[in-house]
Amino acid sequence: AQTVTQSQPEMSVQEAETVTLSCTYDTSENNYYLFWYKQPPSRQMILVIRQEAYKQQNATENRFSVNFQKAAKSFSLKISDSQLGDTAMYFCAFMKLNAGNMLTFGGGTRLMVKP
Amino acid sequence: EAQVTQNPRYLITVTGKKLTVTCSQNMNHEYMSWYRQDPGLGLRQIYYSMNVEVTDKGDVPEGYKVSRKEKRNFPLILESPSPNQTSLYFCASRPGQGNEKLFFGSGTQLSVL
Repeated sequence: AQTVTQSQPEMSVQEAETVTLSCTYDTSENNYYLFWYKQPPSRQMILVIRQEAYKQQNATENRFSVNFQKAAKSFSLKISDSQLGDTAMYFCAFMKLNAGNMLTFGGGTRLMVKP
Repeated sequence: EAQVTQNPRYLITVTGKKLTVTCSQNMNHEYMSWYRQDPGLGLRQIYYSMNVEVTDKGDVPEGYKVSRKEKRNFPLILESPSPNQTSLYFCASRPGQGNEKLFFGSGTQLSVL
């Protein structure tokens, strides 16, 4: 079974600064996907970024980028130029290939962006 | 508009009173699933379905039932709700194998008194 750990229950950052959210996971699989989801107060689940494990290049989406360390089983999310709208709960998630809808989530990190 | 529709958004009930939370998707997706979200635990999968009449247990299936009689619908049934099932529930779907992007419903906040 897979496990996903987010060791920072809460974080805060000043507007326009950079923040990094940590995520580690445990698996014996070699091929899998990793995701970061954002959940604002509206409760909507929004996909921020995803990474295929077979790709060495780190994924980026505008101000969001990841540091994927496969050997260390680490998948951190960096948010650059933080904006007030980034205030949300962030979940790291793992999906192995051919796993139906089997997503394993971490416990979440609540991020507050301060003006 | 492509979407996953859950109803109701909020539900308060009493212990033992059967309830159903509906989930419907209009994207012809093969895969559908239910998750519950609890503080500090993230989202945990309850049940999932890979096609019509094909369902399987996730990590926390006890106390829940599902059915997939049609491709678009995947209701979650609590036959005898208990207070420990108070939670935020999400339905999600995705096209199928080879496409890993999940589409989530807007969530159902359930309180069992």
